[in-house]
Amino acid sequence: GQNIDQPTEMTATEGAIVQINCTYQTSGFNGLFWYQQHAGEAPTFLSYNVLDGLEEKGRFSSFLSRSKGYSYLLLKELQMKDSASYLCAVRDMGSNYQLIWGAGTKLIIKP
Amino acid sequence: DAGVIQSPRHEVTEMGQEVTLRCKPISGHDYLFWYRQTMMRGLELLIYFNNNVPIDDSGMPEDRFSAKMPNASFSTLKIQPSEPRDSAVYFCASSLLGGGEQETQYFGPGTRLLVL
Repeated sequence: GQNIDQPTEMTATEGAIVQINCTYQTSGFNGLFWYQQHAGEAPTFLSYNVLDGLEEKGRFSSFLSRSKGYSYLLLKELQMKDSASYLCAVRDMGSNYQLIWGAGTKLIIKP
Repeated sequence: DAGVIQSPRHEVTEMGQEVTLRCKPISGHDYLFWYRQTMMRGLELLIYFNNNVPIDDSGMPEDRFSAKMPNASFSTLKIQPSEPRDSAVYFCASSLLGGGEQETQYFGPGTRLLVL
């Protein structure tokens, strides 16, 4: 079957680094997306991985291991505005190439 | 670009009433998606269109829900009759066709629906 697991909630300190993990099981992996969603707002695109390795975009990096069915989002130099939910989504060939969404990880940043 | 546009932003209605949600995708995008988000169930895909044609509506909860896309720049999601359990945030998203990161979905601001 298809399944995506993320921690429900994480807490980190302003200025620190946090890693949000995502594990997945799909019938045909075809890419992984990370989205950020602030409370009361729409999800916004952060990063895309389809090959193994690390993709860096400023303070945010995303890593993928297809053999392990595992990804993480790394946020550096945390700022208060990074308090949000982070959604992992996998494109699945078995679902007509549509996205299977995780439930999201709520990240709380403390001063 | 204006991004994906949805209306209304908020809707409060009474059980049994008809609700119509509207979406204008990003110009030139090939796909349009309707999602529903609740605390209990997260983000759920209801239906999606490719070049105005419905491709998969298996996520539509029941016959009370219907969606149309009469042209490339407009889509509607209708609930008739509405029920309190339909209360949720409904998002519209659009993307290009092309594989890989090109198919990143861009979301509208959502419609917050409350059915009393």
